[in-house]
Amino acid sequence: GQNIDQPTEMTATEGAIVQINCTYQTSGFNGLFWYQQHAGEAPTFLSYNVLDGLEEKGRFSSFLSRSKGYSYLLLKELQMKDSASYLCAVRDHRGSTLGRLYFGRGTQLTVWP
Amino acid sequence: NAGVTQTPKFRVLKTGQSMTLLCAQDMNHEYMYWYRQDPGMGLRLIHYSVGEGTTAKGEVPDGYNVSRLKKQNFLLGLESAAPSQTSVYFCASSYSPWGESTDTQYFGPGTRLTVL
Repeated sequence: GQNIDQPTEMTATEGAIVQINCTYQTSGFNGLFWYQQHAGEAPTFLSYNVLDGLEEKGRFSSFLSRSKGYSYLLLKELQMKDSASYLCAVRDHRGSTLGRLYFGRGTQLTVWP
Repeated sequence: NAGVTQTPKFRVLKTGQSMTLLCAQDMNHEYMYWYRQDPGMGLRLIHYSVGEGTTAKGEVPDGYNVSRLKKQNFLLGLESAAPSQTSVYFCASSYSPWGESTDTQYFGPGTRLTVL
């Protein structure tokens, strides 16, 4: 399997910026995904990185460094509705794994007013 | 376009009972997946399918069986439920594991299963 590590919990205040880190170890890296999951709901896709650098999507940005096995999700201008679990997932393309996703345990973000 | 749907949404079983969870997608996706999500464990892959009539084991397949008789449906069976199978089960689908660079997995709403 893969070794994907992210913090268990984070807190921040409304309007602030928060960075959620994810480190991984894989021999067949083929992309890193971030998903958002509200309590009691399904994960929904946020962002994707396969090359080094920053991908920006409105208030959310995601960064990848393949040489360091490191990614972060940056959330700006935090809103109460951003309180959720954020899942880091790595896609592995080694032979038999057929591009499976391996998920981290998720980071529970709580946004306070 | 309903996306990925799962039936049922909630279920309570007694130890030893059997049941089948149904996943359906209307996006013409080739790949379908069954995950379980437990507190502090993240999403773990149970079984997956790369096309109609084919299935493969994931990380935690023991105690589960699957079938993909039709492209749009992926069934997860528990032959003899155990309390350790109490979990939230998510089905997902994707066009392909490669596809476009941003091809992602789309998740169903989940089934909350309790085994007493």
